[in-house]
Amino acid sequence: AQKVTQAQTEISVVEKEDVTLDCVYETRDTTYYLFWYKQPPSGELVFLIRRNSFDEQNEISGRYSWNFQKSTSSFNFTITASQVVDSAVYFCALSWEGGGNKLTFGTGTQLKVEL
Amino acid sequence: NAGVTQTPKFQVLKTGQSMTLQCAQDMNHEYMSWYRQDPGMGLRLIHYSVGAGITDQGEVPNGYNVSRSTTEDFPLRLLSAAPSQTSVYFCASRSLKSSGNTIYFGEGSWLTVV
Repeated sequence: AQKVTQAQTEISVVEKEDVTLDCVYETRDTTYYLFWYKQPPSGELVFLIRRNSFDEQNEISGRYSWNFQKSTSSFNFTITASQVVDSAVYFCALSWEGGGNKLTFGTGTQLKVEL
Repeated sequence: NAGVTQTPKFQVLKTGQSMTLQCAQDMNHEYMSWYRQDPGMGLRLIHYSVGAGITDQGEVPNGYNVSRSTTEDFPLRLLSAAPSQTSVYFCASRSLKSSGNTIYFGEGSWLTVV
């Protein structure tokens, strides 16, 4: 079965701290795709990144970085020097070749960045 | 830059009433889907479609109907609303032209059933 686990329900940090959001996935497919979405207080879902299962390169985009490790089935997301505007719920999600294009979500991590 | 457009954004229904959540996309995406978001449960797939005239059930389809008469539109119908259907609903679409294409979401529809 396909599953995404985000064990951290809520994280609180002080501005400028670094924070890592964990994502662990389960799938039997060898070809799959991992995503991170941000949901700010306004409620919309904002796409952040997509990673293919055959591309384990880490990625950095400004203050955001992603660490994909197939050996541990993890796709963790780090925010460096967090800012109040980073406060949101972050979702990790999985789709797979045999899954009919469906997207399975984790339960989300609420990140609160305080001054 | 319309992307995926959902209406209405907010709606209050009485138990037993019916309504339709509208979803339209202007990206010529073959795949469209509806999710519901409930506290502590992430997003769960209700129904999806891979093209006009083709629909299928997702994880939580009971109480909802869909149809796909055009590529652009994918309405979600609640036939007889129940308080358990109080939720935030998201419509999403993606291209099927290559695997793993990013799924784009509408802004959400907040539905309360009293």
